[in-house]
Amino acid sequence: EDQVTQSPEALRLQEGESSSLNCSYTVSGLRGLFWYRQDPGKGPEFLFTLYSAGEEKEKERLKATLTKKESFLHITAPKPEDSATYLCAVQAGSSASKIIFGSGTRLSIRP
Amino acid sequence: GAVVSQHPSWVICKSGTSVKIECRSLDFQATTMFWYRQFPKQSLMLMATSNEGSKATYEQGVEKDKFLINHASLTLSTLTVTSAHPEDSSFYICSALRSDTQYFGPGTRLTVL
Repeated sequence: EDQVTQSPEALRLQEGESSSLNCSYTVSGLRGLFWYRQDPGKGPEFLFTLYSAGEEKEKERLKATLTKKESFLHITAPKPEDSATYLCAVQAGSSASKIIFGSGTRLSIRP
Repeated sequence: GAVVSQHPSWVICKSGTSVKIECRSLDFQATTMFWYRQFPKQSLMLMATSNEGSKATYEQGVEKDKFLINHASLTLSTLTVTSAHPEDSSFYICSALRSDTQYFGPGTRLTVL
């Protein structure tokens, strides 16, 4: 069965304190791994798509990496406005565009 | 690019009434759209896949007669919650597929009294 597990469930950091969020997955034939950001009461905002092991993508203070078993979202020198829930999702080879979401990591950055 | 809107952003209705939620892709055409439901502090749960010009595909456990989906054009999908009850109160989010990536709408908060 395809599964996505995110850790930690919640993370509190001081402004400027870098860290990483983890997304572990088991899927039959990964077609893509997605990272989204979700603010309270809003829909997820697309951040990155990763397709193959070794791939990396960056956007401002965020950097996503992918291996054959997991993905990391690295946050460098975060600011309070980076506070949000970060969702990881995977698309399996047989899923016909459906994606499976992890439970998310709630990130809080203190000024 | 890849903007998706939903209307209304929130709705309150009485038990037994029906509510329609619209999902539009504003700057691209979407053959496939998805409808999700999200409970507080939980992740998104896929309800159904909506394909333009054909019947929607519902996930296991989702009542197709209760959650009616219509995808009549390449930019619009609608979800109608029929005979709503308090347990249907939730945050409903749609997404539209563009180049293998789902772009999400802002969500609709439904409260059934």
